[in-house]
Amino acid sequence: AQRVTQPEKLLSVFKGAPVELKCNYSYSGSPELFWYVQYSRQRLQLLLRHISRESIKGFTADLNKGETSFHLKKPFAQEEDSAMYYCALSGGTSYGKLTFGQGTILTVHP
Amino acid sequence: KAGVTQTPRYLIKTRGQQVTLSCSPISGHRSVSWYQQTPGQGLQFLFEYFSETQRNKGNFPGRFSGRQFSNSRSEMNVSTLELGDSALYLCASSLGGWGNNEQFFGPGTRLTVL
Repeated sequence: AQRVTQPEKLLSVFKGAPVELKCNYSYSGSPELFWYVQYSRQRLQLLLRHISRESIKGFTADLNKGETSFHLKKPFAQEEDSAMYYCALSGGTSYGKLTFGQGTILTVHP
Repeated sequence: KAGVTQTPRYLIKTRGQQVTLSCSPISGHRSVSWYQQTPGQGLQFLFEYFSETQRNKGNFPGRFSGRQFSNSRSEMNVSTLELGDSALYLCASSLGGWGNNEQFFGPGTRLTVL
């Protein structure tokens, strides 16, 4: 079974502070992990995926298979980062299926 | 490239009715996945279609069905609507090849069942 857990429903930080959104997963094989973001009144959009190892908008995420985690980090949060963030997993032959966590609402205060 | 489009954007139906939602994927994308989003359950996978064939299905009752056309456009149908079917229904498209599961989402259809 596939499961994604985001332990924090809400996360508040001040502008310029570091931010870390936690994501833990359960999957017996080799998963593909994603972070999606949904800004206010916009559609869900891909932020980054672990296989590309890119940094998007200053965010990074490293897949830790030992801890089964894929935490999203940014060293200096900006007010425009305020949004809902979803961690998602795709596994094996589970075609077209993303298993999402419950999401974390990030609020960056000025 | 135009993004994923969904029609209609809003729907109001009554219990017992049926509804059809439409999704047009990004040009060149052959896979379309459908999700139900509710405040309580979050984002849940309904099913996925690739080249007009359903390849994967989530844990939803048979009242939820879908299909895909030769131009990759997809529809989902919900019959005998229940109050609990009120949700945002999202579709997402991807290239669909092996190891290529980067999905692009539409704006969703907001279904309200009265």
